[in-house]
Amino acid sequence: AQSVTQLGSHVSVSEGALVLLRCNYSSSVPPYLFWYVQYPNQGLQLLLKYTSAATLVKGINGFEAEFKKSETSFHLTKPSAHMSDAAEYFCAVSDKGGSEKLVFGKGTKLTVNP
Amino acid sequence: NAGVTQTPKFRVLKTGQSMTLLCAQDMNHEYMYWYRQDPGMGLRLIHYSVGEGTTAKGEVPDGYNVSRLKKQNFLLGLESAAPSQTSVYFCASRDRQGPLQETQYFGPGTRLLVL
Repeated sequence: AQSVTQLGSHVSVSEGALVLLRCNYSSSVPPYLFWYVQYPNQGLQLLLKYTSAATLVKGINGFEAEFKKSETSFHLTKPSAHMSDAAEYFCAVSDKGGSEKLVFGKGTKLTVNP
Repeated sequence: NAGVTQTPKFRVLKTGQSMTLLCAQDMNHEYMYWYRQDPGMGLRLIHYSVGEGTTAKGEVPDGYNVSRLKKQNFLLGLESAAPSQTSVYFCASRDRQGPLQETQYFGPGTRLLVL
């Protein structure tokens, strides 16, 4: 069964600094991987997803993630944090091939300090 | 398009009361999901549906029932609410096939407090 581990439940960065949110997965087959963002008191929005077309995936709001099979990782990065990036970020995995379900990590709350 | 909508936005129940949460989507999606979100636990799947008239259990189904009588609606019922069901409930939907396959679209959530 697939699972996702997000390292660090809270990450704090200064405005303008690099954002790095870590996600490791386990899956018995090559997975689809997702990053979702949740702003306060809102639902989840898709940031980006990996479906094997390219290992470096670019998403909305300047975020990107790199799929590394050897490290079973899909870390999310943004070169320069903005105050508006403060939110909770969730990594999720599904088995390739039309699986009905996503498995979510426990989330990482990002704080951006002025 | 409204996307995924949830009713109500907030509700307070007493232990033992029942209620139904409604999820509606106007994207003609086949698949629909109910999750609960608790601090430090991420999102956990309660029940899901792969089409009208079909439902299946997720990770934490106990104490909940669901129905999918119409393709656009997915109802989550609590027959006898318990304080452990205090949570934020999210509905999501996705298409069965096509380029956006497997991307789930989420509603704004329902905050439920059980006293």
